[in-house]
Amino acid sequence: GAVVSQHPSWVICKSGTSVKIECRSLDFQATTMFWYRQFPKQSLMLMATSNEGSKATYEQGVEKDKFLINHASLTLSTLTVTSAHPEDSSFYICSARRSGLGLSSWGETQYFGPGTRLLVL
Amino acid sequence: DAKTTQPPSMDCAEGRAANLPCNHSTISGNEYVYWYRQIHSQGPQYIIHGLKNNETNEMVSLIITEDRKSSTLILPHATLRDTAVYYCIVRAPLLGNEKLTFGTGTRLTIIP
Repeated sequence: GAVVSQHPSWVICKSGTSVKIECRSLDFQATTMFWYRQFPKQSLMLMATSNEGSKATYEQGVEKDKFLINHASLTLSTLTVTSAHPEDSSFYICSARRSGLGLSSWGETQYFGPGTRLLVL
Repeated sequence: DAKTTQPPSMDCAEGRAANLPCNHSTISGNEYVYWYRQIHSQGPQYIIHGLKNNETNEMVSLIITEDRKSSTLILPHATLRDTAVYYCIVRAPLLGNEKLTFGTGTRLTIIP
């Protein structure tokens, strides 16, 4: 299967600090990765689309200077929450699209990581 | 992407079949129906997808109506581990749109 990992699985930080979350595709290459955020009892909201070697595309309302995304290799994308505040506390989930998989009907084009729970005090 | 409508919650007795409905009355001809589920505090997991024919895998069956305006995900013998939020998503992958837009889903609770 296709495995996506995230690190750390949970993090607690003080307000004003920056937090980096890693998303790795362990057994496949991913030209595109996606970052989602999920608040308690709510659905997943797409934050940005990360493409290897180029700038991320952010969804409307997501501050690109606050949520820095780097996709430097085909197996790693990072999300840095800069100057985190309590309202940034959330469950952050990444997904990865496998490279080379044609635009077929396969629904498994995105494989999700286990998520990172961020608590900002 | 077409909007989907799902009941917010459902209960099902363990060992019985769980039938999860999804309405997608505005679906267009090139859009597929995808199902994902999210177990508490985990990332979503792909379950199944289909275009117009019924689909079955080792876990579930997907029944799509002939007019494609609705579908039903069937878990034939629900177990406690099937307790999760189930998301029905409609999208057209062949247009190069890889975004998944998650609605509120159905919270399925399997009762012992």
